[in-house]
Amino acid sequence: NAGVTQTPKFQVLKTGQSMTLQCAQDMNHEYMSWYRQDPGMGLRLIHYSVGAGITDQGEVPNGYNVSRSTTEDFPLRLLSAAPSQTSVYFCASSYLTTGELFFGEGSRLTVL
Amino acid sequence: GENVEQHPSTLSVQEGDSAVIKCTYSDSASNYFPWYKQELGKGPQLIIDIRSNVGEKKDQRIAVTLNKTAKHFSLHITETQPEDSAVYFCAASRQGTYKYIFGTGTRLKVLA
Repeated sequence: NAGVTQTPKFQVLKTGQSMTLQCAQDMNHEYMSWYRQDPGMGLRLIHYSVGAGITDQGEVPNGYNVSRSTTEDFPLRLLSAAPSQTSVYFCASSYLTTGELFFGEGSRLTVL
Repeated sequence: GENVEQHPSTLSVQEGDSAVIKCTYSDSASNYFPWYKQELGKGPQLIIDIRSNVGEKKDQRIAVTLNKTAKHFSLHITETQPEDSAVYFCAASRQGTYKYIFGTGTRLKVLA
């Protein structure tokens, strides 16, 4: 049972490049979300989804896109990377009824 | 917007002593309050949670208390052990919104 799987674990980008962070879960969770973790700022919600075809914005959505075509996958797209997007990104999922978030191990992104 | 303040940002205790971490939330409609533990290089993991219809919940050495009037909740760890060393995050959420607002984290060090 893999849980929440994020790829890649590490990535270095140049300003202006685009990339996609992948997230997959095998627990049949309806809810999936993306957070970024920055020193001294905790975890901030970027985007979330309560089911296939449904997405919504969190606290810090600017510069990021998401889509949810299947229950299992929730990719996060950076359209034109900026140094301010240097961070550790976490994907998390849960059942809608329980609230307990299951996190992936994170993806460390550096934008030069 | 909604906000969760967490204190202290760092906490050092001797092994066997107790540790207390405090959080204050701003949204009076919040009704779900989880605590997550994050070990180095890992994603956060739920350790205990409480809902607004109870004032206290215990699980072995860990307890959480909630004061709805003061909009304040706390994590208590008794008989601390070196493996309790980690970063702890509190969070608050309102049922049906699927948005979790996290505190900024507390780095707990248990000194042997």
